[in-house]
Amino acid sequence: GEDVEQSLFLSVREGDSSVINCTYTDSSSTYLYWYKQEPGAGLQLLTYIFSNMDMKQDQRLTVLLNKKDKHLSLRIADTQTGDSAIYFCAEKGDSSYKLIFGSGTRLLVRP
Amino acid sequence: KAGVTQTPRYLIKTRGQQVTLSCSPISGHRSVSWYQQTPGQGLQFLFEYFSETQRNKGNFPGRFSGRQFSNSRSEMNVSTLELGDSALYLCASSFFRAQETQYFGPGTRLLVL
Repeated sequence: GEDVEQSLFLSVREGDSSVINCTYTDSSSTYLYWYKQEPGAGLQLLTYIFSNMDMKQDQRLTVLLNKKDKHLSLRIADTQTGDSAIYFCAEKGDSSYKLIFGSGTRLLVRP
Repeated sequence: KAGVTQTPRYLIKTRGQQVTLSCSPISGHRSVSWYQQTPGQGLQFLFEYFSETQRNKGNFPGRFSGRQFSNSRSEMNVSTLELGDSALYLCASSFFRAQETQYFGPGTRLLVL
């Protein structure tokens, strides 16, 4: 079945890079997303990547996709305290209507 | 362009009551999906509405229902509330169908006592 896994917690120092990892099982996944959730808030779409790409860069964010290993990562350069939040990886097949989410990685940025 | 809006933001109900949550999608978006977020189960798909019709439903009991209006606004209803229904209910909108990128609202936090 479909499953998305993420590590639960990551702590980094302000100014360092953060790398959040995600693995998924559905080989038909076409779209892979990263959402950010701050305390008491909804989900903010950060970026997404199509399965025919292996990298996407958007300002401080870099997404790497290893389709063979079904591994997705989100790198945040120059991490700031405002980046402290929960980051969700989600996947969706081409004709699928629903997002399958990981359990979220809580990122703590230490001053 | 305004984002997805949800009302109310917070709600407290007691067991056995019913509740209605509202979602207004991004202007021009025609599809609305609903998700439930709980600490134990994470984010789970409830249903998708497009053109005033429920197109897909997740694995939730019949107490969970919804509808969509001609202006694409959607409501979801939960009847006979149970303690386990306490959750953050998130609405997401997509331009055409839920197969496209989904943008989420701030959610409605429901507490059932």
